[in-house]
Amino acid sequence: QLVLTQSPSASASLGASVKLTCTLSSGHSSYAIAWHQQQPEKGPRYLMKLNRDGSHTKGDGIPDRFSGSNSGAERYLTISSLQSEDEADYYCQTWGTGIRVFGGGTKLTVL
Amino acid sequence: EVQLVESGGGLIQPGGSLKLSCAASGFSVSSNYMSWVRQAPGKGLEWVSVIYSTGNTYYADSVKGRFTISRDNSKNTIFLQMNSLRAEDTAVYYCARDSAADGFDRWGQGTLVTVSS
Repeated sequence: QLVLTQSPSASASLGASVKLTCTLSSGHSSYAIAWHQQQPEKGPRYLMKLNRDGSHTKGDGIPDRFSGSNSGAERYLTISSLQSEDEADYYCQTWGTGIRVFGGGTKLTVL
Repeated sequence: EVQLVESGGGLIQPGGSLKLSCAASGFSVSSNYMSWVRQAPGKGLEWVSVIYSTGNTYYADSVKGRFTISRDNSKNTIFLQMNSLRAEDTAVYYCARDSAADGFDRWGQGTLVTVSS
């Protein structure tokens, strides 16, 4: 079964960096994923696609502060130089034939 | 400019029906995969349904047999017909352009569906 696992919460200080993790279920470690940001009271926003080799393609207007990487079945979203507007929920998402899956989301608090 | 605008949400009684629309601009829905995603109050994102460019459709188990996704190419619009609605279907419903290679790369602003007596 295709499942994505995310930690429910994370926190980091203003100006610092944070690395969020999304873990693919067993047998699915080759899947690409996408990262989405949802700021409070707003709709989701596409950040990037992250390939199995760690390469990533960002959405329109996404700052260079956002980057992706991976290790095995883990997919990472790194946000550097944290700003207050980065406080949001972050969701990973993947896909297969006839199925789309979201992780449970990580709530990022900027201290 | 690529844009998705949902409409059709509202308050509906349990067991009722509702049809959501998502009007697209800046690209053709017939050439793309399009999905509906929902978010219950205070909860995470849940994929609901996808329609492929071929016309093939797929559904989450939670809505299979009750919801139907479709599109009108002439109006560049996709729809979600929701029947036998339950309280647990209460959510903001988003449509998204579902790039087969890149994930959901465009989102609408959402429309709220409340199922309550």
